[in-house]
Amino acid sequence: AQTVTQSQPEMSVQEAETVTLSCTYDTSESNYYLFWYKQPPSRQMILVIRQEAYKQQNATENRFSVNFQKAAKSFSLKISDSQLGDTAMYFCAFMNLGDNAGNMLTFGGGTRLMVKP
Amino acid sequence: DAGITQSPRHKVTETGTPVTLRCHQTENHRYMYWYRQDPGHGLRLIHYSYGVKDTDKGEVSDGYSVSRSKTEDFLLTLESATSSQTSVYFCAISEEGEAYEQYFGPGTRLTVT
Repeated sequence: AQTVTQSQPEMSVQEAETVTLSCTYDTSESNYYLFWYKQPPSRQMILVIRQEAYKQQNATENRFSVNFQKAAKSFSLKISDSQLGDTAMYFCAFMNLGDNAGNMLTFGGGTRLMVKP
Repeated sequence: DAGITQSPRHKVTETGTPVTLRCHQTENHRYMYWYRQDPGHGLRLIHYSYGVKDTDKGEVSDGYSVSRSKTEDFLLTLESATSSQTSVYFCAISEEGEAYEQYFGPGTRLTVT
């Protein structure tokens, strides 16, 4: 079984600054994906960024980037030039791609990010 | 946005009553999932389906059952609702070949009194 840990229940950042959200995971699998999801007050779950475990290059999506350290089982999310619309809960999630794994997601407990004007 | 709807969006029910939540998709995706969201726990998988009439248990399946008689519908039933099942329930869908992204419905807030 996999576990995902987000050690920062709450964080805040000033608008236009950079913030990093931490995530660690525990697995014995070698073939997997990692994801960051955003949940604004609307409650809708929105995919922010994904990383394939076999790719060494860190994924980037506009202002969002990850620092994927496979050996350390760490997957942090960096948000650059923070905007008020980035205020949300952020969830780190793990997906095992092994046979019969069902492509299920295992989520961390979440980090509540507030961007201050 | 992926075509996923959940019904009802809000429900209040009494302890001991059966409750059925419906997830409907228009994307013809193979996989469907039910998660519950509780403070401090993120989302936890209840049950999932990998095809019509093919379902399996997730991490927190006790007290829940599911059915999928059509590709587009995935039903979650609380056989006898308890206060510990007060939660927000999310349905999600995914398809192989789409980088494994799961698309989530809007959620159903269930309160068991």
